[in-house]
Order: sequence, then C-alpha cells, then structure tokens
Amino acid sequence: GQQVMQIPQYQHVQEGEGFTTYCNSSTTLSNIQWYKQRPGGHPVFLIQLVKSGEVKKQKRLTFQFGEAKKNSSLHITATQTTDVGTYFCAEYSGTYKYIFGTGTRLKVLA
Amino acid sequence: NAGVTQTPKFRVLKTGQSMTLLCAQDMNHEYMYWYRQDPGMGLRLIHYSVGEGTTAKGEVPDGYNVSRLKKQNFLLGLESAAPSQTSVYFCASQHNPGNTGELFFGEGSRLTVL
Repeated sequence: GQQVMQIPQYQHVQEGEGFTTYCNSSTTLSNIQWYKQRPGGHPVFLIQLVKSGEVKKQKRLTFQFGEAKKNSSLHITATQTTDVGTYFCAEYSGTYKYIFGTGTRLKVLA
Repeated sequence: NAGVTQTPKFRVLKTGQSMTLLCAQDMNHEYMYWYRQDPGMGLRLIHYSVGEGTTAKGEVPDGYNVSRLKKQNFLLGLESAAPSQTSVYFCASQHNPGNTGELFFGEGSRLTVL
C-alpha cells in the first residue's frame, strides 16, 4: 500500500539553527499538505503544495514540492522555542483521504 | 464557532467493554475522518465519510465501526475494546479534499484500555 516516509524521526537543534524535515512517497502525489502539532495538542494545517517544483514561504518556513511530485521538504530558518512540536506531511491519495507521514519531532534548545 | 468537537476527551475502559466517540463539526463540511495516533506511528486513518449516510474503511479499520447519520456528526464505535486500541483518537473534517482541502482537527480523545 501507499507509504509515506518522513525523516528524521527526531531532531534537536540549538535555538537559531536551521531545521529540515523530508517526506518521501512511493507514488506520484496529487498534492501534499504540512501540519504542525504542538506537544499535547492537535495537528494544525500549515500549507498545501500542488504544483511540481513548487516553493512556498511562510515567514521563516520554506516548503518545497519535488519536481517529480514524489517528495517534499519543510525548512525552518533560525528556529525559535515556539517551533517545538511534531511536523507531519500528509499526502492526498486521490480517493478522498489523506495519508499522514510518521512525523518529525523537533526540540529546540534555548 | 466551535469547529470540530470531540467527546469524551478522556476515557478508561476494561478489555471487552464498548464505547462510542462522538465528533461534531459546525462548518457544514462534507468529509469527515477518524485517525488514531500512536507514538512513532504518526496518524493512521481508521474510517472516513464523504457525506451523510456514507462511510469507508481507511488504513486500520479492524475493531472499529462508524456511522454518519447526520452531516455534522461522525461516530466511532468500539464494540469490544482491546489493549491494542489504547491510543489518542483525532477526528477531522474537510470541505473539499481535492483542492484547498485543509483538514480541521478536534482536540483529541485519549482512550486507555486496561
């Protein structure tokens, strides 16, 4: 079945350092979404990518969709303690449902 | 505007007991989903619904049943709870999954099966 690999599983960074999480699919994707879940909270939508090679920015966050639409990445520049949480990608399978990656848990050390 | 509301937020069951989790959304969304979240496993889709009166199986449907009798409500049932069903359950709703279909999540229901 469809698998969504997300790496790394955990990342600890010093405040101010950069952070990147990668999402790789075994299939060509229709679109991909990114979510953030704070500790003890629920997933919150960040962004959706649709086009091949698409790059979108939200302040310190940069999202990329691969040219072949099989992978995506999220990069955070100059991390802050407010960035702590788990970041998930979610891929659209084309049949009304989104399949989530395993997530990358980010810890920021002050 | 409450968004997506899940009840109960916490529940402890004994093996073999039954229970129902209720998800209610007030955004008039067609699509609703139940996910479970376990450490290191991300969010796994249990069942979903594309409209009132419809349900479909997700990745991990065994041991669960669902019903969508009203558009705003999506119920998840456990007929005979097992310790493997200890998890955090999230409900989500969505207007249109094919376009700008942001998923709106409830706050979660933490279930422990002893």
